[in-house]
Amino acid sequence: SQQGEEDPQALSIQEGENATMNCSYKTSINNLQWYRQNSGRGLVHLILIRSNEREKHSGRLRVTLDTSKKSSSLLITASRAADTASYFCATAFVLLNAGKSTFGDGTTLTVKP
Amino acid sequence: DVKVTQSSRYLVKRTGEKVFLECVQDMDHENMFWYRQDPGLGLRLIYFSYDVKMKEKGDIPEGYSVSREKKERFSLILESASTNQTSMYLCASSSLRQAGQPQHFGDGTRLSIL
Repeated sequence: SQQGEEDPQALSIQEGENATMNCSYKTSINNLQWYRQNSGRGLVHLILIRSNEREKHSGRLRVTLDTSKKSSSLLITASRAADTASYFCATAFVLLNAGKSTFGDGTTLTVKP
Repeated sequence: DVKVTQSSRYLVKRTGEKVFLECVQDMDHENMFWYRQDPGLGLRLIYFSYDVKMKEKGDIPEGYSVSREKKERFSLILESASTNQTSMYLCASSSLRQAGQPQHFGDGTRLSIL
């Protein structure tokens, strides 16, 4: 089963509103990453938060991590129509040769102009 | 700028054909990955490689093989294509220097097997 699970599966908001997406995972991690995917394109890395960090900001993005609850959230403030995309969390547990990350199923965000 | 290039955006093949999907990265990354993406199933790892000629199975390797003869190129091979391999295939790369580093993705190949 997937390590990361996003919630909700789909989110529809008006331009200017904030969008919050959540990710839950099952095992210990070293870091958690959020990615964005525009329709028909590859994923683009947005932000990485390490297990010893609780919050991180990048522009209009704010990511939180609660390792005790094994959950993370991605907040997009003042959303724009161009933010319409699917958003994925990915967890990494660093082992000997593991550059691997495990991806969730994603949240599809629609921002209406 | 970082670039991962997949050889085809769209590909149509017939059942039983041997299919090659090519991926090239220009970042001197050690790690390379092949995923398939299906609606409702997210990204599933097929194979990954952390060095030239090295490969490891991911979650769904059956029906696939890979080749990494050069550091910058990672090929996915469908030995005998079947209709259930119709999917979006994504290639990615990352640096081994710091494990757990962000992955850089190509734009994907949408493969249809008829």
